[in-house]
Amino acid sequence: DVKVTQSSRYLVKRTGEKVFLECVQDMDHENMFWYRQDPGLGLRLIYFSYDVKMKEKGDIPEGYSVSREKKERFSLILESASTNQTSMYLCASSSHRLQGSSGNTIYFGEGSWLTVV
Amino acid sequence: QKEVEQNSGPLSVPEGAIASLNCTYSDRGSQSFFWYRQYSGKSPELIMFIYSNGDKEDGRFTAQLNKASQYVSLLIRDSQPSDSATYLCAVNYNQGGKLIFGQGTELSVKP
Repeated sequence: DVKVTQSSRYLVKRTGEKVFLECVQDMDHENMFWYRQDPGLGLRLIYFSYDVKMKEKGDIPEGYSVSREKKERFSLILESASTNQTSMYLCASSSHRLQGSSGNTIYFGEGSWLTVV
Repeated sequence: QKEVEQNSGPLSVPEGAIASLNCTYSDRGSQSFFWYRQYSGKSPELIMFIYSNGDKEDGRFTAQLNKASQYVSLLIRDSQPSDSATYLCAVNYNQGGKLIFGQGTELSVKP
């Protein structure tokens, strides 16, 4: 089974703090993603990465950065947390080596609930 | 901008009935389509994917795709209270695995 692990499940941070959200996948997937999910807004893509040290902006990258130094690990960084970044953050991964459309299946971690006060 | 649209619901059906969840998408270049289920407070989990026109069945679930109408649906037969969740439709626009998600339809199955 694919396993995507988000190390921090529940965090409370102060405005202006630097926040790191870590994600590790164990299936040798090339693609990794960070989404945030808010009521009424659905899943919104923050950043994604197709390979080590590669990253591309998603739909809402402002206020975030990412790091992918190793294939299995993808980190989301909030340089200076703000209250409007209170949300659930979901890490996900997928493989583009698999044949057929099933290779695009995205597998999600359990989520990290971040509250910024 | 590529869009995926779903009715937010809630959709309420009695236990044992067929629940029908619908999704439309804006880009005719879309290649594959996914349905995820998300329980409250949990992360999305894959139910089915489909990429050919027609029906695809898996147990109580049937996905239907009509590319001409840019429409994909999920039917849940013999609905159970445990099916109560939010169902997310997602579309792959062949951008290296990136999926675009709809906002989800909340389903409530009443005993």
